[in-house]
Amino acid sequence: EAQVTQNPRYLITVTGKKLTVTCSQNMNHEYMSWYRQDPGLGLRQIYYSMNVEVTDKGDVPEGYKVSRKEKRNFPLILESPSPNQTSLYFCASSGALQTYEQYFGPGTRLTVT
Amino acid sequence: DAKTTQPNSMESNEEEPVHLPCNHSTISGTDYIHWYRQLPSQGPEYVIHGLTSNVNNRMASLAIAEDRKSSTLILHRATLRDAAVYYCILRLDFGNEKLTFGTGTRLTIIP
Repeated sequence: EAQVTQNPRYLITVTGKKLTVTCSQNMNHEYMSWYRQDPGLGLRQIYYSMNVEVTDKGDVPEGYKVSRKEKRNFPLILESPSPNQTSLYFCASSGALQTYEQYFGPGTRLTVT
Repeated sequence: DAKTTQPNSMESNEEEPVHLPCNHSTISGTDYIHWYRQLPSQGPEYVIHGLTSNVNNRMASLAIAEDRKSSTLILHRATLRDAAVYYCILRLDFGNEKLTFGTGTRLTIIP
């Protein structure tokens, strides 16, 4: 089954404690990205990757890092989480330069206290 | 960036057709019109997309105005499972593949 998986699905952590949210896809997609969703602000792109070792900033990259060492994985790293990074995070993937379907993961709800 | 305008919410009776409108008066000639939906507690899900002609797939139909300044997503026979937030999105940035989500239309299905 074609899918994007994220782990963990839920995470409560404290300010400053480094964390990683993993994202993996089994569709051999070149393109992957991370979004965060906040009430009243909708989904906003954090980072994206066009292929292995190619990443770039989205609209709200501050406080986040990413890496793309393998095609299937695109982890989101919060080196020093802060309460304003409390949000619902989604990973997405699609084939390169496709004009249509992106596949989204189930989401990771992160709370930073 | 070209923006889309959708009603905040709509209601429809189960097993009846639903027409979800979207206005995009500043659309450019190369913008594709995409629709995604987000079911409760899930990630967004692709529904349909089009450029100029009307489109049909197993989930829905997309009717695009001749001047492309508006479009309508049509669910032919709504079920309870279609209750979701529906987003009309213009694909602007092919180099990034970024989807710019607005606030969408929250569709409620009445049994």
